[in-house]
Amino acid sequence: EAQVTQNPRYLITVTGKKLTVTCSQNMNHEYMSWYRQDPGLGLRQIYYSMNVEVTDKGDVPEGYKVSRKEKRNFPLILESPSPNQTSLYFCASSTHRAEQDTQYFGPGTRLTVL
Amino acid sequence: EDQVTQSPEALRLQEGESSSLNCSYTVSGLRGLFWYRQDPGKGPEFLFTLYSAGEEKEKERLKATLTKKESFLHITAPKPEDSATYLCAVLSPQSGYSTLTFGKGTMLLVSP
Repeated sequence: EAQVTQNPRYLITVTGKKLTVTCSQNMNHEYMSWYRQDPGLGLRQIYYSMNVEVTDKGDVPEGYKVSRKEKRNFPLILESPSPNQTSLYFCASSTHRAEQDTQYFGPGTRLTVL
Repeated sequence: EDQVTQSPEALRLQEGESSSLNCSYTVSGLRGLFWYRQDPGKGPEFLFTLYSAGEEKEKERLKATLTKKESFLHITAPKPEDSATYLCAVLSPQSGYSTLTFGKGTMLLVSP
């Protein structure tokens, strides 16, 4: 089954404790992206990757890091989480070819930083 | 800067009562307009992609249309299971076609 998976699905942590949220896709997509969703603000892009070893900032990158060492994986790293990073996080992937560039989303990771 | 505005913010319908959701957009050059359905706490589920004005796509009780300034998601004879938040997003030359700009969504509630 074609899908985007994220782990963990739920995470409660404390300020300053480094964490990683994993994202994996089995569709051989070149493009992957991370979004956060907050009430009243909608979905906002954090980082994206056009292909292996190619990453760039989205609209709200502060406090986050990413890496793309393999095509299928795109982990999101919070090196020193703070309470304002409490949010619902989504990973997405697509082919990024014209008229085939629909982004497919993972199930989400709900993060709470105390 | 690309902008996407969805209306209404919330809509309550009786089962069988057809209606339309609106997505107005301002972009420098539209590459695609996307509709997603999102259930509470879950990831957006892809519904439709529209690429050019005049294009229409249908899936069960849903039909999406596109003009040069807006898109409509028509819901015909909705059922309670159609209750969800419907999100509209655009892909444009901004950021090299790499960023989806989302509207804030329309929360639809269909009562039996």
